[in-house]
Amino acid sequence: GAGVSQTPSNKVTEKGKYVELRCDPISGHTALYWYRQSLGQGPEFLIYFQGTGAADDSGLPNDRFFAVRPEGSVSTLKIQRTERGDSAVYLCASSFPTDTQYFGPGTRLTVL
Amino acid sequence: AQTVTQSQPEMSVQEAETVTLSCTYDTSESNYYLFWYKQPPSRQMILVIRQEAYKQQNATENRFSVNFQKAAKSFSLKISDSQLGDTAMYFCAFSPGSQKLVFGQGTRLTINP
Repeated sequence: GAGVSQTPSNKVTEKGKYVELRCDPISGHTALYWYRQSLGQGPEFLIYFQGTGAADDSGLPNDRFFAVRPEGSVSTLKIQRTERGDSAVYLCASSFPTDTQYFGPGTRLTVL
Repeated sequence: AQTVTQSQPEMSVQEAETVTLSCTYDTSESNYYLFWYKQPPSRQMILVIRQEAYKQQNATENRFSVNFQKAAKSFSLKISDSQLGDTAMYFCAFSPGSQKLVFGQGTRLTINP
């Protein structure tokens, strides 16, 4: 079956701009996770959805970051007033509850 | 705080050799899950193996096996008969259930022909 997909694959933007990153989870997976991976580091947790609601958003670094999952499937990570320090690979994962997380290929965000 | 430590930033072995990657973690949870993920240059994070903390038996998946020492909070990965396609970043990760993964810093593994 189809895996987790993320679009765009790469995004280049200018400092101060707004960006949206999309994640399509594996069909039927109720849990969805966003992580951020800086160069040479392991992924860091941002936010976790169970269904439509954010069950844990403790990893969001500040109020410029926001994520939604309005119908319990596709999720969008939104970053306002981007900064150069936001440059990273943003990874999305999905799973059944308490089960293994399966990852998408990530979106590489570059803020100039 | 829950932390995962991988003490080997890089490792390199010859094809067909056996290699062991180290991982230690810190948690006060009694029930949790441990994982090894592989990340090739394509960026796709691929599950290698999973271990439930309540299971005493070490998990195995073909050429991959773990040495899980719960009391020592150690979770090493052994790759037998290593292949060129095993070249990748390997991340150890911890999860206290249906929640976020906490990752280590990774070990860059190179398999030489």
